[in-house]
Amino acid sequence: AQSVAQPEDQVNVAEGNPLTVKCTYSVSGNPYLFWYVQYPNRGLQFLLKYITGDNLVKGSYGFEAEFNKSQTSFHLKKPSALVSDSALYFCAVRFNEKLTFGTGTRLTIIP
Amino acid sequence: DTAVSQTPKYLVTQMGNDKSIKCEQNLGHDTMYWYKQDSKKFLKIMFSYNNKELIINETVPNRFSPKSPDKAHLNLHINSLELGDSAVYFCASSQDQVAPSSYEQYFGPGTRLTVT
Repeated sequence: AQSVAQPEDQVNVAEGNPLTVKCTYSVSGNPYLFWYVQYPNRGLQFLLKYITGDNLVKGSYGFEAEFNKSQTSFHLKKPSALVSDSALYFCAVRFNEKLTFGTGTRLTIIP
Repeated sequence: DTAVSQTPKYLVTQMGNDKSIKCEQNLGHDTMYWYKQDSKKFLKIMFSYNNKELIINETVPNRFSPKSPDKAHLNLHINSLELGDSAVYFCASSQDQVAPSSYEQYFGPGTRLTVT
């Protein structure tokens, strides 16, 4: 069975600093990996995905993620955090037509 | 242009009642989903339909019954509501039958169900 782990419930970053939100996965075969963001009282918004190819994937709002097969990780990154990046972030893996989400990481950017 | 829409946005009802949540997508996608997000923000898939055919049916009480009249609509009917059904329910859609590059799902704004 597939699974996703987000080891940090909460990440605090000062505005302007780089940010990283961690994700590790477990799946049989090639992973299809996704990051989503959820703002308060809103639905999930798709940020980026890894399907195949280049290990560094670029997405919306200046976010990128690095796929590392040997470490089974797919960490979300941004070079310079904005206060507006504060939200709940979910990593997800797709297997057998089903998307399994991690437990979410609350990112707070401190002005 | 709302890509995935849900109605109602809020639903407050008493235990034992029956209620429905409607979902519509105008993205031309072939697959639609229902997710439940609990109070701890944990997201779990309930059902998925591809071109009106049930594909995923997770371990969900049979009081929950999805219905897809066409590939742009997926409704969720809940019978005999219980306190534990209180949650936010999200509808989503994706284009699954083309290629993995189109697998990302697009979510509706959610329906907050409160059972009293």
